Amino acid sequence: AQSVTQPDIHITVSEGASLELRCNYSYGATPYLFWYVQSPGQGLQLLLKYFSGDTLVQGIKGFEAEFKRSQSSFNLRKPSVHWSDAAEYFCAVGGGGADGLTFGKGTHLIIQP
Amino acid sequence: DGGITQSPKYLFRKEGQNVTLSCEQNLNHDAMYWYRQDPGQGLRLIYYSQIVNDFQKGDIAEGYSVSREKKESFPLTVTSAQKNPTAFYLCAVGTSGGGTQYFGPGTRLLVL
Repeated sequence: AQSVTQPDIHITVSEGASLELRCNYSYGATPYLFWYVQSPGQGLQLLLKYFSGDTLVQGIKGFEAEFKRSQSSFNLRKPSVHWSDAAEYFCAVGGGGADGLTFGKGTHLIIQP
Repeated sequence: DGGITQSPKYLFRKEGQNVTLSCEQNLNHDAMYWYRQDPGQGLRLIYYSQIVNDFQKGDIAEGYSVSREKKESFPLTVTSAQKNPTAFYLCAVGTSGGGTQYFGPGTRLLVL
């Protein structure tokens, strides 16, 4: 069965500091990987996705993620966080078809001034 | 996403009552999905539909029902059989290739 693990429930980062959110997945075939962000009481916004090709993918709002097949990981990074980045971040995996995605439980990002 | 609307934003259910959550899209995507979100639990798939007049159960379909009579609409009914309905419900639509999903703003269901 497929699964996604986000080991960090909460992360606190100072404004201007770099950020890395961890995501590990389990999937029996070629994974399609996604990162979404959610502000309180809102829907999810797609940050970036990986299907194939270059293992370093760029997304919106200055985020990037690196796919490492050997480690079954798809970690999200940002060089310098802004207070507006405070939100809940979800990693998800799918098979590329029209079936549903499997989500991790999320990482809550807190930005310190 | 501005092309996906969910209504109402808040919904209150009384004991033994069925309630229906609306999801409408103007993105012309074939696939539509319903997820349930509970605090600290991520999103769990309730039902999905890849085409009009067809839908499949997700991981937590018990106590829920859906219909897909039009491409643009995928309403979710929370029946009285769902004993713990309080949650945030998210509708999504999907592209035909790659599996990318785009989400609506959500409906919060509360039990009176």
